[in-house]
Amino acid sequence: DAEITQSPRHKITETGRQVTLACHQTWNHNNMFWYRQDLGHGLRLIHYSYGVQDTNKGEVSDGYSVSRSNTEDLPLTLESAASSQTSVYFCASSPGGSYGYTFGSGTRLTVV
Amino acid sequence: QKEVEQDPGPLSVPEGAIVSLNCTYSNSAFQYFMWYRQYSRKGPELLMYTYSSGNKEDGRFTAQVDKSSKYISLFIRDSQPSDSATYLCASHTGGFKTIFGAGTRLFVKA
Repeated sequence: DAEITQSPRHKITETGRQVTLACHQTWNHNNMFWYRQDLGHGLRLIHYSYGVQDTNKGEVSDGYSVSRSNTEDLPLTLESAASSQTSVYFCASSPGGSYGYTFGSGTRLTVV
Repeated sequence: QKEVEQDPGPLSVPEGAIVSLNCTYSNSAFQYFMWYRQYSRKGPELLMYTYSSGNKEDGRFTAQVDKSSKYISLFIRDSQPSDSATYLCASHTGGFKTIFGAGTRLFVKA
């Protein structure tokens, strides 16, 4: 069955370190998204991609970057981790149209 | 002002009750409206998807959109303990970049 997987599920890192969160989907969806979820803020869009070599900034993109070299993967990199980036991160993919998003199970990141 | 506003709750109801969950939005360009359900420590899953104004029914769930008042509703009939989750409303203009509400936590007591 097709799926979308995120790794790792949990990560603790130190302030200032570079961290990469993986997202891999086998749905063959062109559209992929990264959100962070924080209490009181809900899901906020970090970056998104509509296809290979396409990346776009969302509303909270400062300190994050993504690259899209193939259809299946959209890794999220925190260039220099900060305590404010402690959050739960969700990756999602969509074929577009009326299908909505399919979300991964999330990565819980703690920056100490 | 957030583009999609949602009361965080929590909302607690007895089993079998009719549940009403609501959102308001500010962007007149929104055309597509969704409800997602999120269980604890899981990713959100799509529950309902509607286009423009009107009602859509799927089993015990009914989604309602009133574009004139910028109001989105989800009704759950005969609520079950398994419906206990956080419900997120969401909208987009057609460009697939979806804006989410903060979510309402629902507890259905057996």
